[in-house]
Amino acid sequence: GEDVEQSLFLSVREGDSSVINCTYTDSSSTYLYWYKQEPGAGLQLLTYIFSNMDMKQDQRLTVLLNKKDKHLSLRIADTQTGDSAIYFCAERDYNTDKLIFGTGTRLQVFP
Amino acid sequence: KAGVTQTPRYLIKTRGQQVTLSCSPISGHRSVSWYQQTPGQGLQFLFEYFSETQRNKGNFPGRFSGRQFSNSRSEMNVSTLELGDSALYLCASSVEQGNNSPLHFGNGTRLTVT
Repeated sequence: GEDVEQSLFLSVREGDSSVINCTYTDSSSTYLYWYKQEPGAGLQLLTYIFSNMDMKQDQRLTVLLNKKDKHLSLRIADTQTGDSAIYFCAERDYNTDKLIFGTGTRLQVFP
Repeated sequence: KAGVTQTPRYLIKTRGQQVTLSCSPISGHRSVSWYQQTPGQGLQFLFEYFSETQRNKGNFPGRFSGRQFSNSRSEMNVSTLELGDSALYLCASSVEQGNNSPLHFGNGTRLTVT
């Protein structure tokens, strides 16, 4: 079945760039998404990329997609303490349309 | 525009009871999905509704059910609660089913079963 994997933790210094990585198995995925979850809150949609694209930039966020390797990354430029949260990548299953989520990466930003 | 609204925010129930959770989607959104989030299993898909019809269902027992009303609002019900049903239940809405209709999530209902 489909599987989406992420590393569990990432710690960066304020002002540095953060890169959160994700690998997925379903080669027929149509869209891939990044969500952010802060404590006690739901999931906030950050950005998404269509599978025929290899890059998308949105202000401080850059998404890179390597479809051959089924690898997705989210780069956050000039990381701030407010960026501390759990980040989930998700792929959209081609057959069922449901979202398959990764395990989430906890980003900790220290001063 | 108001976001996805879930009520209640917190619930405490005992084993064997049943519970109903409510979700109001973003205005104009016709598709509603439900997810269960637990520390051990992560985010698991429960079901999706579109135009009052269940379109997709995850691998959960029949104790988990849902429905969608004509105004797109949705409810999910869990009967005969078990300790393992303790979780954050997230509702998400999208404009339409499939294609590029990103899901927008509510803040969830945290259910604790004792």
